[in-house]
Amino acid sequence: QVHLQESGPGLVQPSGTLSLTCDVSGVSINDWWSWVRQPPGKGLEWIGEMFHSGTTNYNPSLKSRVTISMDKSKSQVSLRLNSATAADTAVYYCARGIYHAFDIWGQGTMVTVSS
Amino acid sequence: QSALTQPPSASGSPGQSVTISCTGTSRDVGGYDFVSWYQQHPGKAPKLMIYEDTKRPSGVPDRFSGSKSVNTASLTVSGLQAEDEADYYCSSFAGSLGYVFGSGTKVTVL
Repeated sequence: QVHLQESGPGLVQPSGTLSLTCDVSGVSINDWWSWVRQPPGKGLEWIGEMFHSGTTNYNPSLKSRVTISMDKSKSQVSLRLNSATAADTAVYYCARGIYHAFDIWGQGTMVTVSS
Repeated sequence: QSALTQPPSASGSPGQSVTISCTGTSRDVGGYDFVSWYQQHPGKAPKLMIYEDTKRPSGVPDRFSGSKSVNTASLTVSGLQAEDEADYYCSSFAGSLGYVFGSGTKVTVL
C-alpha cells in the first residue's frame, strides 16, 4: 500500500528553521520527490524537488532558503526552510513526481510560524 | 514566477459539463506538453486527474478530459456529479523555473 507521511514541528519561531520529513512506503524511493505547500485558504505553491541521484531543483523565489535531502536507507525525503516568517505558514505536502506531474501525495502537515 | 490564471469559480447542474481554463505563457503552458490538473476536496490532499495535457491516470473517470491551445489549457468535467464539487488546480512544467500552479477554481454543483 502506497503511503506518504509528512511529520515535523507544527510550530516554528519567526526567523527559525522549518524542518519536515516525508516517510515513503509501498513505493520505490528511486524517483523524483517534491514538496508543495498551501497557505490557509490559498492555492498551491511548488517548493522544490529531488531525484534519487541527488539532483535538486528549487522554486527561484525560495531557493536561497530551501534545502531538500533524501535518506534512501530510511526511505525519507526531508525539507529545510531557513529564516521562516509568517508567510511560510501553510500545509506542507510531499509528493512523487512522474511525467512532470505529482501522482502520489501525503496527507499534509500544518506548520505555523509564530512566536 | 507568476501563478497560472484560472477563473475563481465555475458551476453547473448535475449531468451538465463545466470547463475550467488555465492560462500561462510560452515559458510554461505553451512551451511544454506537461500541464497537469488536480482535484482537491476540503481538508484533503490534491489528487492527480490529468497529466501531460490530456492523459488520465488509471482510476480517473473518463468524464474528466484535458486539452490545450497555445498558452491555455482546459479541464472539462462532463456529466457533473455531486462528488465533483471541489477545488481544481492546474500545474505546468516551466523549465528552469520548475513547476508553477494555477490560482485554483472552485467548482460548484448546483
